[in-house]
Amino acid sequence: EDQVTQSPEALRLQEGESSSLNCSYTVSGLRGLFWYRQDPGKGPEFLFTLYSAGEEKEKERLKATLTKKESFLHITAPKPEDSATYLCAVQAGGFQKLVFGTGTRLLVSP
Amino acid sequence: DTGVSQDPRHKITKRGQNVTFRCDPISEHNRLYWYRQTLGQGPEFLTYFQNEAQLEKSRLLSDRFSAERPKGSFSTLEIQRTEQGDSAMYLCASSPGQSTGELFFGEGSRLTVL
Repeated sequence: EDQVTQSPEALRLQEGESSSLNCSYTVSGLRGLFWYRQDPGKGPEFLFTLYSAGEEKEKERLKATLTKKESFLHITAPKPEDSATYLCAVQAGGFQKLVFGTGTRLLVSP
Repeated sequence: DTGVSQDPRHKITKRGQNVTFRCDPISEHNRLYWYRQTLGQGPEFLTYFQNEAQLEKSRLLSDRFSAERPKGSFSTLEIQRTEQGDSAMYLCASSPGQSTGELFFGEGSRLTVL
């Protein structure tokens, strides 16, 4: 069964303190790995899609990387507005459904 | 606003009652998804439509749940004989035909079953 595990569950950073979030996965025939951001009371917001090991994507202070077993979301010099829950999801070949992890709650203090 | 719209945003009901949620996707998107999310968990897949055809359905979706997309535009999710375990946020998402995995989510419909 496809599975996604995210760590840590929660992370507290000072503004400007860089860190990484981890997403480990097992999936039958990875079609894509996705990162979403979710603010309280809102639906998830798409950030990145990664398709193959070695691929990297960047957006502002965020950089996502992918290996054959895990993905990392690197946050460089975070700001308080980066505070949110970051969700990782995988999609298996032949299916449309995404399997999500439980997320990492990030709090960035000024 | 041209995003995904869900209605109602909040619903409180008594156990055993039926509830229906509506989702209006982004107009040019032919793919529509329903997910369920409980506190502290990630979204859990329920079902997927391409146009009016329901092509994927989670094994977790009991017979009390039914979803329709009659004209390939808006969709409804009905829960019959609600149980306390059905309390959750029900999220709708849509995507264009050529996209894979980049879903546009609505703000959800929160269900509380007393």
